[in-house]
Amino acid sequence: QKEVEQDPGPLSVPEGAIVSLNCTYSNSAFQYFMWYRQYSRKGPELLMYTYSSGNKEDGRFTAQVDKSSKYISLFIRDSQPSDSATYLCAMSGGGGFKTIFGAGTRLFVKA
Amino acid sequence: GAGVSQTPSNKVTEKGKYVELRCDPISGHTALYWYRQSLGQGPEFLIYFQGTGAADDSGLPNDRFFAVRPEGSVSTLKIQRTERGDSAVYLCASSPGWGLNTEAFFGQGTRLTVV
Repeated sequence: QKEVEQDPGPLSVPEGAIVSLNCTYSNSAFQYFMWYRQYSRKGPELLMYTYSSGNKEDGRFTAQVDKSSKYISLFIRDSQPSDSATYLCAMSGGGGFKTIFGAGTRLFVKA
Repeated sequence: GAGVSQTPSNKVTEKGKYVELRCDPISGHTALYWYRQSLGQGPEFLIYFQGTGAADDSGLPNDRFFAVRPEGSVSTLKIQRTERGDSAVYLCASSPGWGLNTEAFFGQGTRLTVV
């Protein structure tokens, strides 16, 4: 079993839809939770960062962490075609300095 | 430069050959990471440098892989006796500090193909 599980999709939604992306994890020691966006043939870029449990909002993006369930989510409101990318969840603090990434979910937002 | 720079952007090599991949981090960033990303997968941690020293090399898959950062800036990932299974995108990231809560900025990667 992988430390971080993420449905690879693809997920296809119409423009303006609310998108929900999720990851589960097994290492209860993780403390830092991140969401990265990766466009084709580009490096990942950090979207959201959360420490421990709770919610964080930034514009159209909301990140949620539920440590009791070992479950994290990213919500995208009013999705745009430019949001089409692969979204990677990532976690750290579980040992050493490494960040563990999920496999990524491919999102397509249709105009 | 404005961002993390990786060279070459693409590298094709024959099985058994030696390759070097270069990473120029953002100026002033003390922390540097190497990751490997296979098709359809997320980045997989390889090694982490604080300054010149490798603080965590637990992700290096075997002794064919080695990385250096002799002056605390540019880093080189070296792969000996390449195998077809080494084919992947190798990503470098840097961050201004060494804490787990500091943002890492990624380069565009080097796409390595072993034929």
